[in-house]
Amino acid sequence: DGGITQSPKYLFRKEGQNVTLSCEQNLNHDAMYWYRQDPGQGLRLIYYSQIVNDFQKGDIAEGYSVSREKKESFPLTVTSAQKNPTAFYLCASSPPTVMNTEAFFGQGTRLTVV
Amino acid sequence: DQQVKQNSPSLSVQEGRISILNCDYTNSMFDYFLWYKKYPAEGPTFLISISSIKDKNEDGRFTVFLNKSAKHLSLHIVPSQPGDSAVYFCAASRANSGYALNFGKGTSLLVTP
Repeated sequence: DGGITQSPKYLFRKEGQNVTLSCEQNLNHDAMYWYRQDPGQGLRLIYYSQIVNDFQKGDIAEGYSVSREKKESFPLTVTSAQKNPTAFYLCASSPPTVMNTEAFFGQGTRLTVV
Repeated sequence: DQQVKQNSPSLSVQEGRISILNCDYTNSMFDYFLWYKKYPAEGPTFLISISSIKDKNEDGRFTVFLNKSAKHLSLHIVPSQPGDSAVYFCAASRANSGYALNFGKGTSLLVTP
């Protein structure tokens, strides 16, 4: 089955530790995105990548880093520089970026930093 | 700065009636608009979209209307069903930002029997 997979679903980390969230897709999509959702907030864009080995900062990139070494994978690292890392993180992908189209989302990872 | 705004955090509608969810945007460069449905602790699922060259798109019980001059779009659900109860997000995209979606804060719809 084609889809986009985020793992793990729940993640706990101690303050000051870096943590990497996984996102894998087998939809052959070129573009991938990371969003963050906080209670009562919409989804805010952290980073996006339109093609392998290239990515762009979104609206709230500070304290995060990404890589796009493979088309299928777009891991997000939440670094210790991120001041409020506890949130629900969503990864998405979409077909070739030559046109507007819908993005497909994973099931999300809830990160809790204690 | 929020470029996509959903000013109603919640909406309650009786089963069988029409649900109307509203969305406003500020960036005239947006050229594609989408609605997503989301349940708690899950990823959003795509519902319906509309290109800026259209003013209406219909898919079953769901219709999206776009008023470009007012920078306003709305989602109509007719008839509303209890299973429609969820948070609905309005989103917009434009070509020069990699088609990344800009989301509103969402409207929580409750359809009561």
